Amino acid sequence: QVQLVQSGAEVKKPGASVKVSCKTSGYTFTNYDINWVRQATGQGLEWMGWMNPNSGNTGYAQKFQGRFTITRDTSISTAYMELSSLRSEDTAVYYCARYIAGLDVWGKGTTVTVSS
Amino acid sequence: DIVMTQSPDSLAVSLGERATINCKSSQSVLHSSNNKNYLAWYQQKPGQPPNLLIYWASTRESGVPGRFSGSGSGTDFTLTISSLQAEDVAVYYCQQYYNSPFTFGPGTKVDIK
Repeated sequence: QVQLVQSGAEVKKPGASVKVSCKTSGYTFTNYDINWVRQATGQGLEWMGWMNPNSGNTGYAQKFQGRFTITRDTSISTAYMELSSLRSEDTAVYYCARYIAGLDVWGKGTTVTVSS
Repeated sequence: DIVMTQSPDSLAVSLGERATINCKSSQSVLHSSNNKNYLAWYQQKPGQPPNLLIYWASTRESGVPGRFSGSGSGTDFTLTISSLQAEDVAVYYCQQYYNSPFTFGPGTKVDIK
């Protein structure tokens, strides 16, 4: 079955960077875009960006431009997101999700806590 | 960016009754090339990732119960739960995937009355 398995929780200090992985299985990784979405505690869903794993093309929400990067390693069917210059407002659960028409399969989420 | 709004913010419905959630986009998400509305609905329960219910505004995802339906076109959309069940208590989000950024609505919380 299609699965997206994310890396474990992270605790980072303000100003640091975090890299979260999203390992996919059960389908051909390069056939479907991967999106990243985050959710602060008690808040709504915030779309961050997308990547085409075949071409490596990416698109990011303006809010994150310059400090958010999505990459991939096609040899292990894994996507990554990296967020730099972390601040307390970046504390959230970060999800990867497969895009077909809408986001049909989601990872369980990775909690990133930014605290001094 | 396309701004998505939802109404109401929350609603409480009796078991077996109908629940209706509205979603509005700041510009049309109907693509003229294929006549499809690039609009999805998700259900999110506490501690879980969102679950895709509806895509193309009205196509039910595989495995989603028939009591969930989506309608609308252009800028105005509706998610209807025809007969609310206890397991439907959740927050529901709409999302447009017409233009990047693929923005979400703020969510509607559904509870049992």
